[in-house]
Amino acid sequence: QKEVEQNSGPLSVPEGAIASLNCTYSDRVSQSFFWYRQYSGKSPELIMSIYSNGDKEDGRFTAQLNKASQYVSLLIRDSQPSDSATYLCAVIQGGSEKLVFGKGTKLTVNP
Amino acid sequence: DTEVTQTPKHLVMGMTNKKSLKCEQHMGHRAMYWYKQKAKKPPELMFVYSYEKLSINESVPSRFSPECPNSSLLNLHLHALQPEDSALYLCASSQSQDRVRYGYTFGSGTRLTVV
Repeated sequence: QKEVEQNSGPLSVPEGAIASLNCTYSDRVSQSFFWYRQYSGKSPELIMSIYSNGDKEDGRFTAQLNKASQYVSLLIRDSQPSDSATYLCAVIQGGSEKLVFGKGTKLTVNP
Repeated sequence: DTEVTQTPKHLVMGMTNKKSLKCEQHMGHRAMYWYKQKAKKPPELMFVYSYEKLSINESVPSRFSPECPNSSLLNLHLHALQPEDSALYLCASSQSQDRVRYGYTFGSGTRLTVV
C-alpha cells in the first residue's frame, strides 16, 4: 500500500477557475501535512502546511485536513497560468523525521 | 538567511570518477536530508542527519556516502556510480521543533548525469 496517494492527473483548468487537488495517507499517526509546488526542472517549494483538522487559508490557497478520513486537499482559487506546476503532497510520518511524498499531480491552467 | 545552497548545480561524471555534492544552510537547522528525484517521479529520501549524526539510511547503495562535517554542512560523496543514478539530488533542512509547522526547506538541487 502506497503511503501517500494523490489523484493521478494531469489536471487541467481554465484561468480563473478553482483547482482541487487531493491526497490520502496510510499512516494514522502522521503528524503534519504539506503541499509543495514544483516547476519543471526546479526544486520543491513549500506553499502550505497543515497539522490540525479543518481548513487553513493563505491567499488563494486553502488546505483542508480530515484526520479521521486520512485525507488532505488543496484548493487553488482564481487559478493563474503561473500556477501550472506539479503539486506534491507530503506527510511527516508519525514518530519519525521522514517526509514522504506522493507521486504528485500535474496542474495546467489554460489562459 | 533562509536558503539551502547546493553546489554544483550541474555535474557530469564518468562511472569511474569520484565526486562530491555539497549542501550548506545557515538557518540553525539541526536536521539535514538528501533526496533523489528521477524525472517525473517524486523525491525519494536517501539519508537523514540529526544533530550531525546519521539517523536514517534508506538502504542506499554504498557508492553514495554521506558526511556531515558540522551543523551547517552536508556532503554526498559519489564513487563508481551507474548511469541509472542520474537524477536531481536535493538537499533539505529542518528545525526539529518547527518541522510540524514549517516542513523542510529544499535547496535548488544538483542535476547529476553519469556517463
